[in-house]
Amino acid sequence: GAGVSQSPSNKVTEKGKDVELRCDPISGHTALYWYRQSLGQGLEFLIYFQGNSAPDKSGLPSDRFSAERTGGSVSTLTIQRTQQEDSAVYLCASSLTQYPYNEQFFGPGTRLTVL
Amino acid sequence: AQTVTQSQPEMSVQEAETVTLSCTYDTSESDYYLFWYKQPPSRQMILVIRQEAYKQQNATENRFSVNFQKAAKSFSLKISDSQLGDAAMYFCAYRSRDSGAGSYQLTFGKGTKLSVIP
Repeated sequence: GAGVSQSPSNKVTEKGKDVELRCDPISGHTALYWYRQSLGQGLEFLIYFQGNSAPDKSGLPSDRFSAERTGGSVSTLTIQRTQQEDSAVYLCASSLTQYPYNEQFFGPGTRLTVL
Repeated sequence: AQTVTQSQPEMSVQEAETVTLSCTYDTSESDYYLFWYKQPPSRQMILVIRQEAYKQQNATENRFSVNFQKAAKSFSLKISDSQLGDAAMYFCAYRSRDSGAGSYQLTFGKGTKLSVIP
């Protein structure tokens, strides 16, 4: 079956602009995670969705970052007034449930470059 | 909070040889999962192997095996008979089995870049 997909694959934007990153999880997966991978760093957790609710937003680095999920499926991560330090690869993962015995499947990521 | 440390930013191995990637972690929890993920240039994170902390037996998946030392909080990955396709970034990750927030997110190390020499 289809895996997790993300769009766009690459995004170049100017400092101060808003961007939207999209994640299409595997069908039927209730849990969805966003991670950020900065150059030379591991992945850092941003936000977790269970269905359409986000019970854990603890990783969002500032109030410029927000995310939503609709229909228990597609999720959008929005970054307002982008800064150069926002440049990173943004990865989305989904799993059947949130419980740790269910594997998280990752998408290919969106590489964001802020000029 | 849990932390994961990978002390080898880069490693190289001759094709068909064996290489071991190191990982240590810090946690106050007694029950958790540990993972090794592979990230090729395509950026797609691929699960290589996982270990449940309550299991004493080390996990094995074909040419990949781990050495899990719970008391030492060490979780190394051994790749046997290395192949050119094994060249990638490898990330060690931790996942709690008892998350207060209920998110059970993964906590990653910074990765080890593995090169395979023909």
